[in-house]
This record gives sequence, structure tokens and C-alpha cells, in this order.
Amino acid sequence: IQLTQSPSSLSASVGDRVTITCRASQGISSYLAWYQQKPGKAPKLLIYAASTLQSGVPLRFSGSGSGTDFTLTISSLQPEDFATYYCQHLHSYPITFGPGTKVDI
Amino acid sequence: EVQLVESGGGLVQPGGSLRLSCVASGFTFSSYWMTWVRQAPGKGLEWVANINLDGSEKNYVDSVKGRFTISRDNAKNSLYLEMNSLRAEDTAVYYCATHCVIVVCGNRYFDPWGQGTLVTVSS
Repeated sequence: IQLTQSPSSLSASVGDRVTITCRASQGISSYLAWYQQKPGKAPKLLIYAASTLQSGVPLRFSGSGSGTDFTLTISSLQPEDFATYYCQHLHSYPITFGPGTKVDI
Repeated sequence: EVQLVESGGGLVQPGGSLRLSCVASGFTFSSYWMTWVRQAPGKGLEWVANINLDGSEKNYVDSVKGRFTISRDNAKNSLYLEMNSLRAEDTAVYYCATHCVIVVCGNRYFDPWGQGTLVTVSS
């Protein structure tokens, strides 16, 4: 199962609403997670099961979708949100990640 | 505090071998599937392998099948990745992570992650 993300990068300002799209090459139900990664750091889980917010993650992050089309939305971008975001499917093996979306200023 | 600490990375020649370790603390290691994920320099994330609770089930990405072996020692709260016949394209930061599965966590995801260990394959 291949995952594509769009856009591959975006420039935004603090306070902007940001939406990242992830599309699967075949249906994956809701077995999709989103991760945030900052340079030199390990990925951090934001959302699992397509729309469930991981404990401790700010409420400005939200996820939606099922089947093949998914979105990650940041309702009001904060300075600490500038990072690369990856989607991941866990429907079947091999587990794969999307190519990433870099969010910068 | 839940923590995963990887070690064992370094510089190795093509065709060589390396063994990575990941020591877990702050949670019941034997109750969770575990996984390895790698990231080549400047590239995205690639799942490598995972292992179930007692080591009886292992899964690998095609590119490492027959060369890498994942294992665990629940008595030592440790996860391992034995890497043989290493190639330049195996150069990456290798992360271990807890792999939540439905029967254990009620859902599927990787969390938490270790800080990673760098493997460089070069002559």
C-alpha cells in the first residue's frame, strides 16, 4: 500500500489554518496515524485511528478520513508546529509511511 | 518515565554486520509488540521489522528479508536488530518503537520512540 501526501511542503504563518492530505493506494479503513518530526529528533505520534488525538497533543491538531483519503489539520499554527509531518498506514504488511510534508515559515 | 534507548550503531564496511540494541524502561516491555524504523539521511521514514510479544511472529520489509533479524529478550527488557550483509543503502538512523496492536492497546500505532542510533555503511 502506497501513501502519497500533499503538499510536499508549505510555507505558513503563525495563526494560519493548515491542512495536509494523505491518500492511500487502496482502502485502509481507519488504520492511519500521523507523526510530527523535528530536525534531529524522533517522530512523535499525534493522531491514530485516523482521528484519535494522542494524549498530551494540543487540541489544535485534528485528523479525519477513512478508506483512502485522510487529512491532518492544524487549526491555528504555533511556532512549535514548524516540522515535518508523516502519515503512516498500519492496515497490513509492509507498514509504510507517506513521504512527508514539511511545514515552514 | 517511559523510555527507549538504542545503541550499537556505527561505521561498518559494505558486507559487514552490526547488532543494534534497544533497552526499554518505565513500562512492561513483555506486554508490547516492538518495531524498528529507519531514516536515511535527509529522507523519510521506513518501517524495517516488528516482533510480537514472545518473539514467535516477526515481519520484515522486503529490502531486509534474509539479511536482518529482529529479536527480543523480555527478561532484559531488550529489543535487538541483527544486521548482516550490510549495503550502502542501509545507512540510516535506526529507531526502535513500541508497536501498539489492537489486542494490547485497542488500536494500532507506534509510540513511544527511542532517540535513534546512526548506522553508516561505507568503505
